[in-house]
Amino acid sequence: QVQLVESGGGVVQSGSSLRLSCAASGFSLKDYAMHWVRQAPGTGPEWVAIMSHDESQIYYHDSVRGRFTISRDSSRNTLYLQMDSLRLEDTAVYFCARVKDNGGWHNFGYWGQGTLVTVSS
Amino acid sequence: QSALTQPASVSGSPGQSITISCTGTSSDVGGYDFVSWYQHHPGKGPKLMIYDVTNRPSGVSNRFSGSKSGNTASLTISGLQAEDEADYYCSSYAGGPNFYVFGSGTKVTVL
Repeated sequence: QVQLVESGGGVVQSGSSLRLSCAASGFSLKDYAMHWVRQAPGTGPEWVAIMSHDESQIYYHDSVRGRFTISRDSSRNTLYLQMDSLRLEDTAVYFCARVKDNGGWHNFGYWGQGTLVTVSS
Repeated sequence: QSALTQPASVSGSPGQSITISCTGTSSDVGGYDFVSWYQHHPGKGPKLMIYDVTNRPSGVSNRFSGSKSGNTASLTISGLQAEDEADYYCSSYAGGPNFYVFGSGTKVTVL
């Protein structure tokens, strides 16, 4: 059974850093591409980043490129999102999501419950 | 601002059918057959309901179906049930540099 559990959210000041974790179970991160998606209050979701199953391809949304870093620890089967230089507009619930199948990227097949990041001034 | 346009709310009585639209551009919805739909109950993770425009994951009721015409995709829920009450979001592959776009969301209410 696929399970994703995010953690690491909290209230931080503008300009600071935070690292989110996504503990995966029921499958190996080595076999599937993984996304980070965020949803600010009252808005639709926004795609943040993707890592391919073999870590060879990593892409970011323009709004976070250069500030956020997606990575993983295969021994812990855990995905991370390092967020630096946080801005007020980064306030959102952050979800990790696994693609449905290991044959394609273009969906968000399984989601965690999300972790809330609040950036204050 | 979300890239794909959805109606803010749609409602229907039990047993009825409803359709949620998702309008984009030729750079996303119209350009690729990679539209997906998600059901989201607050406090839980979203659930994939439709992928690649028309495909339904195993375990998803066949009351849910997807389609696309031009730059607009649609999700139809037939035989509406109380458990279908939730927020629904569409998403589409959009090529680089921002690979995926989402809709603004539609709240489905079962009357």
